[in-house]
Amino acid sequence: DTEVTQTPKHLVMGMTNKKSLKCEQHMGHRAMYWYKQKAKKPPELMFVYSYEKLSINESVPSRFSPECPNSSLLNLHLHALQPEDSALYLCASSQGLAGYEQYFGPGTRLTVT
Amino acid sequence: GQSLEQPSEVTAVEGAIVQINCTYQTSGFYGLSWYQQHDGGAPTFLSYNGLDGLEETGRFSSFLSRSDSYGYLLLQELQMKDSASYFCAVSLTGGSYIPTFGRGTSLIVHP
Repeated sequence: DTEVTQTPKHLVMGMTNKKSLKCEQHMGHRAMYWYKQKAKKPPELMFVYSYEKLSINESVPSRFSPECPNSSLLNLHLHALQPEDSALYLCASSQGLAGYEQYFGPGTRLTVT
Repeated sequence: GQSLEQPSEVTAVEGAIVQINCTYQTSGFYGLSWYQQHDGGAPTFLSYNGLDGLEETGRFSSFLSRSDSYGYLLLQELQMKDSASYFCAVSLTGGSYIPTFGRGTSLIVHP
């Protein structure tokens, strides 16, 4: 199984809502990532979990809260988002520290109204 | 600081060969990777160069010259399905080797 899955595929939320994005992989990868991607732009790293511990937080606003319940799952909790947070949110995983070879999920298309 | 430069758009015809260049300026360079992303899709890992030289994977090859801070992705026997965005990405020393992506090159393949 070389797949990273993400749910939901699409999400529309108001600025006062609380929602969560979910990501799952069963490749035994020990590093997992959240990226944000705007249209026609490259993915921007948000968070990195290595061996289920948060190792990198790229100065992301606190309205985004990551969680890694176990080695296969990664969540991104959303609260009080702004319209400019509308983007494609990508989850990825990699084998150990070989972070240059990442497997991406299909993403969640988020629209904040 | 660090910078990555790649052309914003490249066009070619089906069956042709195309080269997408990437130049970088960074300290602590570890390696260069390439990702493909179709419209509406997720990035897909294509190749990685940690050492100078050519890496070949089917119709795709990637090259790195560390002394010139330069690399390229070569796509042969172009097919319509190769129309996509291609990102070069640098990995730095320091433990995680997480790629920092360039702005991407939109490849348009014409029949």
